[in-house]
Amino acid sequence: SQTIHQWPATLVQPVGSPLSLECTVEGTSNPNLYWYRQAAGRGLQLLFYSVGIGQISSEVPQNLSASRPQDRQFILSSKKLLLSDSGFYLCAWTGSRGGLSSPLHFGNGTRLTVT
Amino acid sequence: QQPVQSPQAVILREGEDAVINCSSSKALYSVHWYRQKHGEAPVFLMILLKGGEQKGHDKISASFNEKKQQSSLYLTASQLSYSGTYFCGTADSGYALNFGKGTSLLVTP
Repeated sequence: SQTIHQWPATLVQPVGSPLSLECTVEGTSNPNLYWYRQAAGRGLQLLFYSVGIGQISSEVPQNLSASRPQDRQFILSSKKLLLSDSGFYLCAWTGSRGGLSSPLHFGNGTRLTVT
Repeated sequence: QQPVQSPQAVILREGEDAVINCSSSKALYSVHWYRQKHGEAPVFLMILLKGGEQKGHDKISASFNEKKQQSSLYLTASQLSYSGTYFCGTADSGYALNFGKGTSLLVTP
């Protein structure tokens, strides 16, 4: 069966520090991968998605970046965190066939607090 | 393009019904519905792919009016476990799934 791993679960970082969040998927090949952010009391904001290794689509311009160095690995990074980067970061995957005709499966999320 | 959900919040007593609406200004390929409990990841409820398609899951069902670019989620005879935030996600093309701001549902005894 397929599983998605996301870490760390919680993170407290000072303003201006770098960030690296990692997500891996097991049990499937060539998944579509997504990063979402949820600010306190707000909706799910799509940040990046990827349909293949090295292919990254950015939905919101900001100081975050994403990379997909391997088929089932998706990394969210920042060189310098801002206070506004605080939030709940969710990685998700879906099957590569049929676009968005299949469900998104979310990881357990990373709660990031920038101080 | 973010879909618009309404209402923003609903309070129900156990056994009551509720409807959550989702609308988009763009033609839709699919509509997804998810429920999120506080502090947890969203959990998939259902997908609607065709205009006029309706689906059911226990006492939760949904419809998709492709012409109006709208979807509705129906919760019948609500249970305490239905409490949470409900999100609709819409895909107008490609692989981007954009979510609404969510509808907070509280079911009380």
